Amino acid sequence: EVQLVESGGGLVQPGGSLRLSCAASGITFSRFWMSWVRQAPGKGLEWVANIKEDGSETSYVDSVKGRFTIFRDNAKNSLYLQMNSLKAEDTAVYYCARGPTYYYGGSGYYSYFDYWGQGTLVTVSS
Amino acid sequence: QTVVTQEPSLTVSPGGTVTLTCASSTGAVTSGYYPNWFQQKPGQAPRALIYSTNNKHSWTPARFSGSLLGGKAALTLSGVQPEDEAEYYCLVYYGGALVFGGGTKLTVL
Repeated sequence: EVQLVESGGGLVQPGGSLRLSCAASGITFSRFWMSWVRQAPGKGLEWVANIKEDGSETSYVDSVKGRFTIFRDNAKNSLYLQMNSLKAEDTAVYYCARGPTYYYGGSGYYSYFDYWGQGTLVTVSS
Repeated sequence: QTVVTQEPSLTVSPGGTVTLTCASSTGAVTSGYYPNWFQQKPGQAPRALIYSTNNKHSWTPARFSGSLLGGKAALTLSGVQPEDEAEYYCLVYYGGALVFGGGTKLTVL
C-alpha cells in the first residue's frame, strides 16, 4: 500500500522558518518526481515545487522562489520542504504528491500525478 | 502570470451528464500541456482522476472521461452519482511550472 505521510506543520510567526517532511512507503521512492502542493483555507490548490528523481532538478512557483527549498533523501524515502521568511499568505495545508511522472507511450509522452498525502497545516501568524 | 480558468460551480441531477472545462490564459490547451484532473471532497486530500488529457488511473470510475473541447481541457461525468458531489481541479503543465485551475464545485441535486 502506498503511503505518503506529511509532518512538520504548525504555528510560526511571520519571518520564521519551518521544515516539512513527507515519508514515503510502498513505492520505489527514488524512481519518481515528487511535488509539494498547498491549499489555503477555503481556497483552491496551488502547486508549490517539484523535484526530479535524483534531486538534480527543481522548480518553484514564483511566490516562493528564494524562500522555499525542496529537497529529498532517497536513502530515507523522504521529501522535504524548507520554508524560510514565511508570510501570512503561506498559511495553508501542504500536501506532498507523487509526480509529475513522465513516460513515453505508444502515441507520445504522458505525465501524471497519482498518490497524495493527507497534508500538514502551516499557520503563519503573530 | 498564467491563469487557468474553470467554471466556479455547476449543478447536475443524479444520473445526468455534465462537462467541466479548463481554459488557459495563454491560448488553447493541447495534449502537450498534459492536463490532469483531480477530485477533492471536504476534509480530504485530492484524488487523481484523469491524466494527460484522457487517461484514467486504475481507480477512476468508468463514468469519468477526459477530452479536449474547443481549445479547452474537459472532464465529463456520465451517469452522475450522489457521491460525485465534490470540487474538481484541473492541472496544466507550462514547461517547468504547473498551474491548477481555480476549481469547479459540482453539486448533485
